[in-house]
Amino acid sequence: EAQVTQNPRYLITVTGKKLTVTCSQNMNHEYMSWYRQDPGLGLRQIYYSMNVEVTDKGDVPEGYKVSRKEKRNFPLILESPSPNQTSLYFCASSLVTGGALGYGYTFGSGTRLTVV
Amino acid sequence: RKEVEQDPGPFNVPEGATVAFNCTYSNSASQSFFWYRQDCRKEPKLLMSVYSSGNEDGRFTAQLNRASQYISLLIRDSKLSDSATYLCVFNTGGFKTIFGAGTRLFVKA
Repeated sequence: EAQVTQNPRYLITVTGKKLTVTCSQNMNHEYMSWYRQDPGLGLRQIYYSMNVEVTDKGDVPEGYKVSRKEKRNFPLILESPSPNQTSLYFCASSLVTGGALGYGYTFGSGTRLTVV
Repeated sequence: RKEVEQDPGPFNVPEGATVAFNCTYSNSASQSFFWYRQDCRKEPKLLMSVYSSGNEDGRFTAQLNRASQYISLLIRDSKLSDSATYLCVFNTGGFKTIFGAGTRLFVKA
């Protein structure tokens, strides 16, 4: 089954304790992205990657890191989480055609992160 | 002007009703358009792409008006299972994607 797998689904952590949220896709998609979703704000892009070793900042990258060492994996790293990073996080992937995103995204099931 | 504006609703409609949502965008370079459906606390799922000529998928019809820079989604014969949040999404060319904040729909028996 074609899918994007995120782990963990739920995470409660304390301020300053480094954490990693994993994301893996089995569709051979070039493009992968991380979003956070907060009430009333919709989905905001954190980082995206157009291919292996190619990443770029989205709209809200502060406090986050990513890496893309393999095509299928795109982990999100919070080096020193803070309470304002409490949110619902989604990983997504997409095909790239003609140098652009012409197709829709496939999203992971989401990670609900609480930082206390 | 915001990059995308979407009426948050909620829209409360009875079963069998027809309901329509609009979504306006400010970037005239926007190239591809989509509607997504998101159920509470779950991931967004692609409902349909939106083409210039308009397109239909069962009870759902999507339209694009480039001149006025908006897209629309029409749902006919609403079902209880249509209750969800509907997100409009634009790709502005390259790798930039803009999401609307969503319109909430409640379909009641």
